[in-house]
Amino acid sequence: NAGVTQTPKFRVLKTGQSMTLLCAQDMNHEYMYWYRQDPGMGLRLIHYSVGEGTTAKGEVPDGYNVSRLKKQNFLLGLESAAPSQTSVYFCASSYSPDGDSNQPQHFGDGTRLSIL
Amino acid sequence: SQKIEQNSEALNIQEGKTATLTCNYTNYSPAYLQWYRQDPGRGPVFLLLIRENEKEKRKERLKVTFDTTLKQSLFHITASQPADSATYLCALEDGGATNKLIFGTGTLLAVQP
Repeated sequence: NAGVTQTPKFRVLKTGQSMTLLCAQDMNHEYMYWYRQDPGMGLRLIHYSVGEGTTAKGEVPDGYNVSRLKKQNFLLGLESAAPSQTSVYFCASSYSPDGDSNQPQHFGDGTRLSIL
Repeated sequence: SQKIEQNSEALNIQEGKTATLTCNYTNYSPAYLQWYRQDPGRGPVFLLLIRENEKEKRKERLKVTFDTTLKQSLFHITASQPADSATYLCALEDGGATNKLIFGTGTLLAVQP
């Protein structure tokens, strides 16, 4: 099992360009999450999904869009990249048994994104 | 809103000693709390989960305590090894059934041989 796979691993963009980050998980998890991690700020939730076809906003959603067309994939889009979006982006997934939300999250190894 | 405080200064200890990391929160007591390990250039890896009705949880050389009165969790690594050097993140459940977490900024542990 690969777990959670993120592509690409690194990317440099110019201000105003767009791109899509891909997250794929092979654990049949219902829940998926996108975070950004900045120095001194910790992990902050951008968007999340509780199932195929559903998405919701997290703590810092502005400037990002997401889609969950297939259960195993969660895409994060930047429509018009800004220098403030320079960060490391992590995707995570978790299991969701009925009546029990106390589940760990499984993370990918991140995408390092620089916006010039 | 919930705020999590972890010691931002690095913790340096000698191999073989016990490392103790602190996680304090300021608002409501969460139903559960999790600890993760993060190595440079990698994603966080889950270590332990402790529920609000549990005082202590152990896994091999790791021990976590949860004191809802003090609003604090302590994370202990006994007989520490240089391979334990990493950043350790505390995370609290964010309410609801979506399994959302709020993460602390983490504490860097350096174990000297």
